[in-house]
Amino acid sequence: QSALTQPASVSGSLGQSITISCTGTSSDVGGYDYVSWYQQHPGKAPKLMIYDVSNRPSGVSNRFSGSKSGNTASLTISGLQAEDEADYYCSSYTRSSTLVFGGGTKLTVL
Amino acid sequence: QITLKESGPTLVKPTQTLTLTCTFSGFSLSTSGVGVGWIRQPPGKALEWLALIYWDDDKRYSPSLKSRLTITKDTSKNQVVLTMTNMDPVDTATYYCAHRPPYSSSVDFDSWGQGTLVTVSS
Repeated sequence: QSALTQPASVSGSLGQSITISCTGTSSDVGGYDYVSWYQQHPGKAPKLMIYDVSNRPSGVSNRFSGSKSGNTASLTISGLQAEDEADYYCSSYTRSSTLVFGGGTKLTVL
Repeated sequence: QITLKESGPTLVKPTQTLTLTCTFSGFSLSTSGVGVGWIRQPPGKALEWLALIYWDDDKRYSPSLKSRLTITKDTSKNQVVLTMTNMDPVDTATYYCAHRPPYSSSVDFDSWGQGTLVTVSS
């Protein structure tokens, strides 16, 4: 299975909104509503931000939202804050009942 | 409160077998729906999922590493062990274990250990 495709970097200004894409295939992203998103700050463990495409775990800000269309999932962060600057990874359940991650996206808040 | 902690060698030689232990608290691996997974991250690179063991002892492995990986659990000790054979310098990474919650419909990890850096070098 190949890693999901994410842009290497995105940037946005404080208060603005950004969207990170995650492209897979019909065997993973497109085949299931089982896409998750993780936030990782430098030197820290990842944190689950979105699961099952658009669900937020308890405690995650509603500024974070997820969606999916076809083989591409998206994470949108609205009202960008300085603490949102981090690496973001998508993951998807696959036809083989395994998991695949994306290559990661570095978010810079200007 | 769920906590997980990885332990094992920080340095292994090429061709050796790596054994990592994940010791957890705050949940039981005998609870229906629960799982523990292993994920690694080479320095400066992306996350890579390795393996997952479920409460019912079902096991899943990364297709690309399946021949080298074994995951087991000891429910009484609250531990999950991952072994990886034939280690190579490209396996140098931070290795994380993580909790798969029972509410998950697929494979999500809502709690992670701090990670342990394993370097492969002669």
